[in-house]
Amino acid sequence: AQSVTQPDIHITVSEGASLELRCNYSYGATPYLFWYVQSPGQGLQLLLKYFSGDTLVQGIKGFEAEFKRSQSSFNLRKPSVHWSDAAEYFCAVGENSGGSNYKLTFGKGTLLTVNP
Amino acid sequence: NAGVTQTPKFRVLKTGQSMTLLCAQDMNHEYMYWYRQDPGMGLRLIHYSVGEGTTAKGEVPDGYNVSRLKKQNFLLGLESAAPSQTSVYFCASSYSEWTGSYEQYFGPGTRLTVT
Repeated sequence: AQSVTQPDIHITVSEGASLELRCNYSYGATPYLFWYVQSPGQGLQLLLKYFSGDTLVQGIKGFEAEFKRSQSSFNLRKPSVHWSDAAEYFCAVGENSGGSNYKLTFGKGTLLTVNP
Repeated sequence: NAGVTQTPKFRVLKTGQSMTLLCAQDMNHEYMYWYRQDPGMGLRLIHYSVGEGTTAKGEVPDGYNVSRLKKQNFLLGLESAAPSQTSVYFCASSYSEWTGSYEQYFGPGTRLTVT
């Protein structure tokens, strides 16, 4: 069964600092990978996705993520964090096996606090 | 284009009461999902549907039932609510042949408290 681990429950950074959120997955084949962001009291919004091709993917709000097959990782990065980036971030892996491309498994999330 | 909408936004139930949560999407998506979100647990899949008239169990289906009579709607029912079902419920939808893409789009959530 597929699984996702986000090792950091809570991260605090200063505004303007760089950010990296870690995500490790377990899946036998090439996965579909996603990062979502959730602001307080809101639903989840897709930041970026990886299906195939270039392993460095760009998303919205200046985020990017890199798929590293050898490390089973899909870490999220941003060069300069803004106060509005404070939120909870979820990594997810989807099954990629023909007719089963319809379920995602989510990590438990990383809460990001941004200090002024 | 409203995306995914959920009704109601908030609800308080007494133990043993029943209710139905409604999810609607206007993106012509084939797949729809119900999740629950609890602190420190991430999102857990309750039930899902891969097309009109079909449903399947997810990770935590006990105590819930679902129906998808129309492609655009996915209903989640609690027949006899229990305090353990206090949670935030999210509906999501994904995939259309037009886009060929599998990312899920989420509704704003329903906060349910069972006393």
